[in-house]
Amino acid sequence: DAKTTQPTSMDCAEGRAANLPCNHSTISGNEYVYWYRQIHSQGPQYIIHGLKNNETNEMASLIITEDRKSSTLILPHATLRDTAVYYCIVPQSNAGNMLTFGGGTRLMVKP
Amino acid sequence: KAGVTQTPRYLIKTRGQQVTLSCSPISGHRSVSWYQQTPGQGLQFLFEYFSETQRNKGNFPGRFSGRQFSNSRSEMNVSTLELGDSALYLCASSFSQGRGTEAFFGQGTRLTVV
Repeated sequence: DAKTTQPTSMDCAEGRAANLPCNHSTISGNEYVYWYRQIHSQGPQYIIHGLKNNETNEMASLIITEDRKSSTLILPHATLRDTAVYYCIVPQSNAGNMLTFGGGTRLMVKP
Repeated sequence: KAGVTQTPRYLIKTRGQQVTLSCSPISGHRSVSWYQQTPGQGLQFLFEYFSETQRNKGNFPGRFSGRQFSNSRSEMNVSTLELGDSALYLCASSFSQGRGTEAFFGQGTRLTVV
């Protein structure tokens, strides 16, 4: 998988937007960017993925830079339930559904 | 639609024993992947099965094995258990192997080896 770099931890005030950055400077042209999160003691949860264009769903928005070397996951109105570890993953295009999880970003949403 | 179901949720085994964990994927999903999560190593990929064939394998010893049945349900087996095998074992199902396919995880089986 293309190596991803994320900050170890971040804080966010409840109700504010949480912007989680990810660097993936070695990404190849046909590799997607995925975001998952893991709330304590639960299985990881899929959030969103994208290739080139910005994407939005009911959970979050994904902004990918034009050169595709970095991306930002945006939770528009963070709640306490969004406290979790967020993983940015760029799977190898020839590795099936194998996901390589790094350390992720521990997001703490505070009241 | 039902999510990914893993059984059992919790398990305690003794060193040297073997264990079998089960995963039922989302209906219609043909890919099942297994992961091990420990505090020290984080989430690590074990293997992936697609249409009953192992398609990818992580860097784990041969004591870790798996299989997938024709209904896409999967089992993983760990033989000769070691204390270090204590972990949360997670199963993920995906519809296909195509790029841009998301994975849906179960709640995991927490294995404790004593």
